[in-house]
Amino acid sequence: EIVLTQSPGTLSLSPGERATLSCRASQSVSSSYLAWYQQKPGQAPRLLIYGASNRATGIPDRVSGSGSGTDFTLTISRLEPEDFAVYYCQQYGSSPSTFGQGTKLEIK
Amino acid sequence: EVQLVQSGAEVKKPGESLRISCKGSGYRFTNHWIGWVRQMPGKGLEWMGIIYPGDSDTRYSPSFQGQVTISADKSISTAYLQWSSLKASDTAIYYCTRQKWGEFDFWGQGTLVTVSS
Repeated sequence: EIVLTQSPGTLSLSPGERATLSCRASQSVSSSYLAWYQQKPGQAPRLLIYGASNRATGIPDRVSGSGSGTDFTLTISRLEPEDFAVYYCQQYGSSPSTFGQGTKLEIK
Repeated sequence: EVQLVQSGAEVKKPGESLRISCKGSGYRFTNHWIGWVRQMPGKGLEWMGIIYPGDSDTRYSPSFQGQVTISADKSISTAYLQWSSLKASDTAIYYCTRQKWGEFDFWGQGTLVTVSS
């Protein structure tokens, strides 16, 4: 199965700054079948990005995804207070689908 | 409005059986795969498996194959996750999700399962 490694484990930034989160796959992810999710404490995850770069419904354009092959990035251009949460990537191009271990984005 | 509503929290003893449920509404239940995702306390997300309610085609992660059973009753738009003999290590929050192309676009609220003697 494909192993996804997210970095950094924790990212400490201030509101207004730019966040760059990485997701690296142990094998190429076919057809860029990669998604990103946000999870806040006590809540279910929420889909942000699918197909590596497509924003889900209702996601603001300051959130963007990029990458292909084995290297993918989630970028939040100007952090708002509600962006501080845990972020997971998921690949669904190869069975079984797998998640990364998560990156915690915390307020500095 | 698409909704996935899961059954309530459960407290069980090791060795007991359990079935939790996930009822879909606001869309054609038979047209989308339903997935189950585990989140152990303080940990990340784990993909357990998926089922297509239209024909009950089911796929499992090797990590969960033989440990759980995923099923669905399309007549009542409900998917299930069940255990025949729970272990303490099954303590977790379990989410059901709707699969779009492969990503999960809608999630249930989660069911907390606690297994303790």
